[in-house]
Amino acid sequence: QKEVEQNSGPLSVPEGAIASLNCTYSDRGSQSFFWYRQYSGKSPELIMFIYSNGDKEDGRFTAQLNKASQYVSLLIRDSQPSDSATYLCAVFTGTASKLTFGTGTRLQVTL
Amino acid sequence: DAMVIQNPRYQVTQFGKPVTLSCSQTLNHNVMYWYQQKSSQAPKLLFHYYDKDFNNEADTPDNFQSRRPNTSFCFLDIRSPGLGDAAMYLCATSRASRATEAFFGQGTRLTVV
Repeated sequence: QKEVEQNSGPLSVPEGAIASLNCTYSDRGSQSFFWYRQYSGKSPELIMFIYSNGDKEDGRFTAQLNKASQYVSLLIRDSQPSDSATYLCAVFTGTASKLTFGTGTRLQVTL
Repeated sequence: DAMVIQNPRYQVTQFGKPVTLSCSQTLNHNVMYWYQQKSSQAPKLLFHYYDKDFNNEADTPDNFQSRRPNTSFCFLDIRSPGLGDAAMYLCATSRASRATEAFFGQGTRLTVV
């Protein structure tokens, strides 16, 4: 079982719609969860992080965490063509002090 | 101001010729990571340092080594690069606490010829 799993996509949504990206993780000791966006040929850039169960909102982005289900998600409201990128879920495990990435989901926002 | 700097941005090396990639940080973070990212794949953790403690991933080939002479610098050494080692190499840093993001450098694109 992979440590962090995501659907590779592509996930295609029309402009203005809500994009929903999902991630599961295997280590129950994981403490922090991050969503990064990566454009082709560029480094990952942080969108949000969350470490408490529930929802966390920042502008058009909402991160959701359910530790019992070992599940974290990212919602993007009012999707824009500029949101088209690969979204990487990353999990920080404090005991090992390491940050592990999922396989990434490619999002395409269509006009 | 750049906080995590990787040099060079692009590196071309010959098959089997040792190569070193460098990373420096101005954040005074105690954790530094090296990731390998191939086209259309997620970053794969090679190893990381927690202060001076070196942590190697189980599936990182022996061909890859790392050095961290001080808090600010970390090096990735590829002893005998093969064609399969062509990739983007990403350095990242973070504080060792739960709610902290990892800051990435711009990456080094390695080509093996």
